[in-house]
Amino acid sequence: GNSVTQMEGPVTLSEEAFLTINCTYTATGYPSLFWYVQYPGEGLQLLLKATKADDKGSNKGFEATYRKETTSFHLEKGSVQVSDSAVYFCALSAKAAGNKLTFGGGTRVLVKP
Amino acid sequence: SAVISQKPSRDICQRGTSLTIQCQVDSQVTMMFWYRQQPGQSLTLIATANQGSEATYESGFVIDKFPISRPNLTFSTLTVSNMSPEDSSIYLCSVLKGTDTQYFGPGTRLTVL
Repeated sequence: GNSVTQMEGPVTLSEEAFLTINCTYTATGYPSLFWYVQYPGEGLQLLLKATKADDKGSNKGFEATYRKETTSFHLEKGSVQVSDSAVYFCALSAKAAGNKLTFGGGTRVLVKP
Repeated sequence: SAVISQKPSRDICQRGTSLTIQCQVDSQVTMMFWYRQQPGQSLTLIATANQGSEATYESGFVIDKFPISRPNLTFSTLTVSNMSPEDSSIYLCSVLKGTDTQYFGPGTRLTVL
C-alpha cells in the first residue's frame, strides 16, 4: 500500500536559519504530493502541493519539488521565522486509493528568536 | 479552497456518553472525510462520508462506534459513541476540492474523563 516517511522531530532552529524537512513516499502509479501545516491549537492548512514529476510547489517562502526518481518531496525554506513554528505533515493522494490522503508522522519545528 | 466549520470546537465528556460533531462547508462537495488525530500523532482516516448512502469505514473503525451521517452535499456529522478515555483526540473533517486536494476544518478537541 501507499506510505509516507518523514524525518522525526523536533527540529529546533534559530530565526533566519535554513529549514529542510525530508519526505519520501511509496505509492503505485502517480500520486499527488502535499505539505500541510498545523499551527498550535489549529487544524491543518494546505501549505503546497505538486501533482506530477518535477513540479515545484511553493507558498509563503516554502518550496518542495516532486522527485519521482528518488520518490521524495522535501520541504525547504531559506529563512525561517518564529511564526513558522508548527507541525508539518507530508502526505500523498492517489486516485487509485479513492483520493484518500496518506500522511507521514509529522515533524515539529520550533524556531527560536 | 473551501471554508469549513466544525462544532463544537472542543468538549469534555464523561465516559460512556456520546458526542456528535458537525461539519459544515461553504459549497457543495462530492467527498467528505473524517479523521482522528490522537495526542502527538499524525492523522488517521476514520471513514469517507457518502451522500445518500452509508459511510465507508477504514480498517479498525466500525459504524457502531463512529456513526456518520451525510444528509446533503455541504454537511456531515460524526458521532463518537460510548466514549472512553482512549477516544480523547482531535477529530477533523475534510472535503475534496478539484481532483485531488483536501481542505480541513479546524478540528474538534475531545477530552474524555
